[in-house]
Amino acid sequence: GENVEQHPSTLSVQEGDSAVIKCTYSDSASNYFPWYKQELGKGPQLIIDIRSNVGEKKDQRIAVTLNKTAKHFSLHITETQPEDSAVYFCAASPYSGSARQLTFGSGTQLTVLP
Amino acid sequence: DGGITQSPKYLFRKEGQNVTLSCEQNLNHDAMYWYRQDPGQGLRLIYYSQIVNDFQKGDIAEGYSVSREKKESFPLTVTSAQKNPTAFYLCASRSQQGHTQYFGPGTRLTVL
Repeated sequence: GENVEQHPSTLSVQEGDSAVIKCTYSDSASNYFPWYKQELGKGPQLIIDIRSNVGEKKDQRIAVTLNKTAKHFSLHITETQPEDSAVYFCAASPYSGSARQLTFGSGTQLTVLP
Repeated sequence: DGGITQSPKYLFRKEGQNVTLSCEQNLNHDAMYWYRQDPGQGLRLIYYSQIVNDFQKGDIAEGYSVSREKKESFPLTVTSAQKNPTAFYLCASRSQQGHTQYFGPGTRLTVL
């Protein structure tokens, strides 16, 4: 089955700096890669996703890059703000197939220091 | 308001008791999922259902049971056979054609 590893487990940055979180996956059949943000005591919310036919996707201050050959993808947050502080999860899934199960990384606790 | 609701937010039970967690969605989604989240770990899939009256085991199904009698509802029962039931439980749903899973607010279960 799929295995997703996520690094680092904790990340502290100064407000205004950039943050980068990296994930690797094992199953070459995976071709859908979402990123979720989870605030304390709440359910995860999708912030951005990417499919394998695209190498990079950007949405305002958030971007995701994908390297299918190396089987890794990364989340980039620029101009960080205190409200970006949360736990971020990456995930991987085969795009085809009816179940479309997600395999999650172990999460990164991001703290943005004012 | 469309979305996924889970109740209750906090649940306490004595060891040896079965407990049922509620998950309801009004998004008209076909697929529904249950995940367990432990501190410092990612989400692990317990059960999922792609259609009414059908469901499949996920990676950690032992000690859990589900039913899918209605499209909107996917309750999870944590049985006394689950050795370490204290955790945060998350329900999610997805449309048949879509890929995004939308999550509910979660239920924190504590077994005393």
